[in-house]
Amino acid sequence: GQNIDQPTEMTATEGAIVQINCTYQTSGFNGLFWYQQHAGEAPTFLSYNVLDGLEEKGRFSSFLSRSKGYSYLLLKELQMKDSASYLCAPNNAGNMLTFGGGTRLMVKP
Amino acid sequence: DVKVTQSSRYLVKRTGEKVFLECVQDMDHENMFWYRQDPGLGLRLIYFSYDVKMKEKGDIPEGYSVSREKKERFSLILESASTNQTSMYLCASSDRQGAGTGELFFGEGSRLTVL
Repeated sequence: GQNIDQPTEMTATEGAIVQINCTYQTSGFNGLFWYQQHAGEAPTFLSYNVLDGLEEKGRFSSFLSRSKGYSYLLLKELQMKDSASYLCAPNNAGNMLTFGGGTRLMVKP
Repeated sequence: DVKVTQSSRYLVKRTGEKVFLECVQDMDHENMFWYRQDPGLGLRLIYFSYDVKMKEKGDIPEGYSVSREKKERFSLILESASTNQTSMYLCASSDRQGAGTGELFFGEGSRLTVL
């Protein structure tokens, strides 16, 4: 079976750093995705990790530990437009993504 | 620009009506998916398809069927809509198994309200 756990909501201040955690259990593993979804819009790709470690892409970084079944998304220099839901999605051995419930991030001035 | 296009952004239907949600992708992807998204429940997989005329049930197929007559088109059908099918429906596509990372490309979504 597959189980994904991430916080439901987080609040942070503009300009700050926020870390969104995700733990998962999957039958087989073929990488982990993070998607961003603004209210009323489709999810858009943010990052993909298949090996352990940190992947940095501008203000966003994503970390993976396969042995711990753990990932996090790090957002730096938060902007108001970063207010969105962030979806953790491990990819199982069959190349099927399973989505967590998402973390709704609210950025306040 | 790669694209997944869903035919309707907003639909309002009555209980018992037959509903068709259409999805077309222009990336020549083998895999196509239909999800529904509800507050607090995240994205749940309804049906998916790995090839033309092929379909597989996802986690919540009850009350739905699908059709994939052409590679680029994947349709979701609600034979007799019910109020508990009021939701946001998202179509997605990805490259075939083993080719690429499995990244999903999503359509804009179709918000269905069943009265």
